[in-house]
Amino acid sequence: SQQGEEDPQALSIQEGENATMNCSYKTSINNLQWYRQNSGRGLVHLILIRSNEREKHSGRLRVTLDTSKKSSSLLITASRAADTASYFCATAKNFGNEKLTFGTGTRLTIIP
Amino acid sequence: DVKVTQSSRYLVKRTGEKVFLECVQDMDHENMFWYRQDPGLGLRLIYFSYDVKMKEKGDIPEGYSVSREKKERFSLILESASTNQTSMYLCASNSARGTYEQYFGPGTRLTVT
Repeated sequence: SQQGEEDPQALSIQEGENATMNCSYKTSINNLQWYRQNSGRGLVHLILIRSNEREKHSGRLRVTLDTSKKSSSLLITASRAADTASYFCATAKNFGNEKLTFGTGTRLTIIP
Repeated sequence: DVKVTQSSRYLVKRTGEKVFLECVQDMDHENMFWYRQDPGLGLRLIYFSYDVKMKEKGDIPEGYSVSREKKERFSLILESASTNQTSMYLCASNSARGTYEQYFGPGTRLTVT
C-alpha cells in the first residue's frame, strides 16, 4: 500500500458539523502537509506540520501529528458547503525541494 | 498572487502521437514537479526539476521525459502517447528557500484514444 493513506475514503456530513480525516504513513518524515482539491482542479495547500510538532491550528483547521503511530488527522470545524472537496495528506522526508508522497485522498461532502 | 499555469485544461490525442504539456510559474521558484492523478491512486510524481536543465526521475517516469530550459517553464513530454497515459496531469512548483508548500496548476486532463 502507499505511503500516506487517508481514512475514510469518503465522508458526508451535515453543514455545521465537524469533519475529521486521518492519514497514515510508513516511513519517517520531516513534515506532513494537507491539501484540498476542488472537483477537477489543482490542489491548494492548507497546512504544514513539522515532525517535532504535535498540533497546529489555522482558522477552522486543526492538524495533529503522532510520529510514534505514523499518523495525522485533519479536523475541519463548523463545516460549510464550500468545504466540499477532496483532501490529501502528503509527506516529505526532508525540507525544501524534496519530493512529496501523496495519499489517495478523502472525498468530503457537506450536505446543506 | 502566485500563479502556476498549464497550457491546456483538456487535451485529446491519438495513440502514438508526441504530446507536450507546458507549465509556467511566475513565482521565481527553483523547483518544479509533474504529477499524474488517477482515481484510487492519488498523485504520483513523474519527474521533478530543481534547477534549469536539471531533472530527477520520480516514481513513474517510464514513457515520459521533461525539459526545463528556463526557470519559469517545465515541460512534460509523452514521446509516444499510449491509452494508459490517459490521466489528469498536474504541475506544481515550490521555493527551495524555506517555504515547503507546493503550488499547483489547474491540471490538464489528457485523453489518449
